[in-house]
Amino acid sequence: GEDVEQSLFLSVREGDSSVINCTYTDSSSTYLYWYKQEPGAGLQLLTYIFSNMDMKQDQRLTVLLNKKDKHLSLRIADTQTGDSAIYFCAETFGGYNKLIFGAGTRLAVHP
Amino acid sequence: DAMVIQNPRYQVTQFGKPVTLSCSQTLNHNVMYWYQQKSSQAPKLLFHYYDKDFNNEADTPDNFQSRRPNTSFCFLDIRSPGLGDAAMYLCATSMMTSGAPSSYEQYFGPGTRLTVT
Repeated sequence: GEDVEQSLFLSVREGDSSVINCTYTDSSSTYLYWYKQEPGAGLQLLTYIFSNMDMKQDQRLTVLLNKKDKHLSLRIADTQTGDSAIYFCAETFGGYNKLIFGAGTRLAVHP
Repeated sequence: DAMVIQNPRYQVTQFGKPVTLSCSQTLNHNVMYWYQQKSSQAPKLLFHYYDKDFNNEADTPDNFQSRRPNTSFCFLDIRSPGLGDAAMYLCATSMMTSGAPSSYEQYFGPGTRLTVT
């Protein structure tokens, strides 16, 4: 079945770039997403990429999609302490915009 | 502002005592979803409604039911909560037109954290 995998933890220094990686299995996904979740809160859509694109840039965020390898990454430039959160990769599956999520990468930003 | 609202934000129920979680939306979206997120895990889709059509995921336990009395509201009923049902429950919405997504975005509510004692 469909599966999304992410590394569980990333620690970076404030001001550095963060790169969070994700692999997925469903090659028919139309969109792939990055969501951010702060402690005790719901999911905030950070950015998304359409499956026929290989890169998308949105201010400090850069998404790279390698469809051949089914690999998605999120780069956060100039990482700030406010970026500390859990980041979920997600892909659509089975129609109706249903989402399957990875386990989430906890990003810790230290001074 | 248009949004997805979940009530209550925190719910405590006793083992085996039925509980209902509520979701409402002002977006007029025709698809509503319920996800379960256990501690330190990925959100997992339980079911969704496309208009009035209910669609259960294959591995959603029978203990979980849902009702959608109108476009704006969707309820999650847990008939006999067990300790393993303690989780954050997330409601989301999106819009489909002629069977295809109108938008890439799925809008999430803030979630209801359920504790089972």
